[in-house]
Amino acid sequence: DQQVKQNSPSLSVQEGRISILNCDYTNSMFDYFLWYKKYPAEGPTFLISISSIKDKNEDGRFTVFLNKSAKHLSLHIVPSQPGDSAVYFCAASAPSGTYKYIFGTGTRLKVLA
Amino acid sequence: DAMVIQNPRYQVTQFGKPVTLSCSQTLNHNVMYWYQQKSSQAPKLLFHYYDKDFNNEADTPDNFQSRRPNTSFCFLDIRSPGLGDTAMYLCATSSRLYQETQYFGPGTRLLVL
Repeated sequence: DQQVKQNSPSLSVQEGRISILNCDYTNSMFDYFLWYKKYPAEGPTFLISISSIKDKNEDGRFTVFLNKSAKHLSLHIVPSQPGDSAVYFCAASAPSGTYKYIFGTGTRLKVLA
Repeated sequence: DAMVIQNPRYQVTQFGKPVTLSCSQTLNHNVMYWYQQKSSQAPKLLFHYYDKDFNNEADTPDNFQSRRPNTSFCFLDIRSPGLGDTAMYLCATSSRLYQETQYFGPGTRLLVL
């Protein structure tokens, strides 16, 4: 039973436009969410996080939105750049007493020049 | 500057032949994790060490063992690899548990023939 789902395996976007990557989760106890970016032949690198007490967190071109009622988060990249082409994983963790991140299967973003 | 290093990057082994994967870190983090990621799947946590305390996930096969001789190094031992163990193995570290960014190594791609 996959608790964190990224239903779009791939996404293509023109350079300069907005990229929106989506992630859904099923466990209402999840209270902390992260996005990781992975280039080929490299490990995932942390991109941005959000706590369930917020509905938005912004870092430069990257913004994560959290909709708790819908159990949905999204990552917006504006403007998209060719260097953003990578696989993006969302991950979630449950409250204190647990430590485990549950990852989604990833979305491959391709930004076209 | 590499922070989490994994060796080897690629490993081919035969069915049933033990294999050891290595992870080292220069971050002096307390926690080290091992994940298994099969093709097109989410990374799945196998176990972690908090200092010297070992924590096994309930669904991690007995075939998988780990050692952490010191803060910097952690090993993944697969005692009798099966074909289904072909995967990418990712090592990660964090300074603490819970809502901490995990720093990943580049992974070891294991092929069991």
